[in-house]
Amino acid sequence: GAVVSQHPSWVICKSGTSVKIECRSLDFQATTMFWYRQFPKQSLMLMATSNEGSKATYEQGVEKDKFLINHASLTLSTLTVTSAHPEDSSFYICSARSPRTRLMDTEAFFGQGTRLTVV
Amino acid sequence: LAKTTQPISMDSYEGQEVNITCSHNNIATNDYITWYQQFPSQGPRFIIQGYKTKVTNEVASLFIPADRKSSTLSLPRVSLSDTAVYYCLVGADLNQGGKLIFGQGTELSVKP
Repeated sequence: GAVVSQHPSWVICKSGTSVKIECRSLDFQATTMFWYRQFPKQSLMLMATSNEGSKATYEQGVEKDKFLINHASLTLSTLTVTSAHPEDSSFYICSARSPRTRLMDTEAFFGQGTRLTVV
Repeated sequence: LAKTTQPISMDSYEGQEVNITCSHNNIATNDYITWYQQFPSQGPRFIIQGYKTKVTNEVASLFIPADRKSSTLSLPRVSLSDTAVYYCLVGADLNQGGKLIFGQGTELSVKP
């Protein structure tokens, strides 16, 4: 199946600094990518939808100035956590829609996730 | 988006068949039903998708009754490596600006 890769797999940063997470579709072009956050023992929470060449669409309650999303190409979307605080520590996961062309498509491929720890 | 309800957890033993049922009473006509599997500290992995009746692939079967208000994921002869969280999702045509919204999921524990 299609491959979505995230980098880094884990990162530790100091409070107040910014961290960038990359999400790449390795063998297909993804016009739309999604960013999720997952706290321990909880489900995935959708943060935003990243559209190539346009602004991201954020879910209610997600601060767009804190979680900067850039989708500059069809294979790369980045999430930057700005001025990180310990409460931003979480597991961040990106996904991209399958490149299939059937009429109804609900399959997406997920990256391996990035564990962010803010100290 | 249709809301889904699943059992929070299930226990099983190696070699048994496991059936996880998901309720989605408000499923829309155009909605598909999709199941994902997630291991700790990994991204979810697509298992199976269906619209009605029965779908089978190399890892699972999906049973959907005629009214489509529920669905059952069937895992044949589970092994320890099937211990994971299983999510049932409904709807979200990603071609039409849809989104994948995850519910609480079912934590399956397979014991020796």
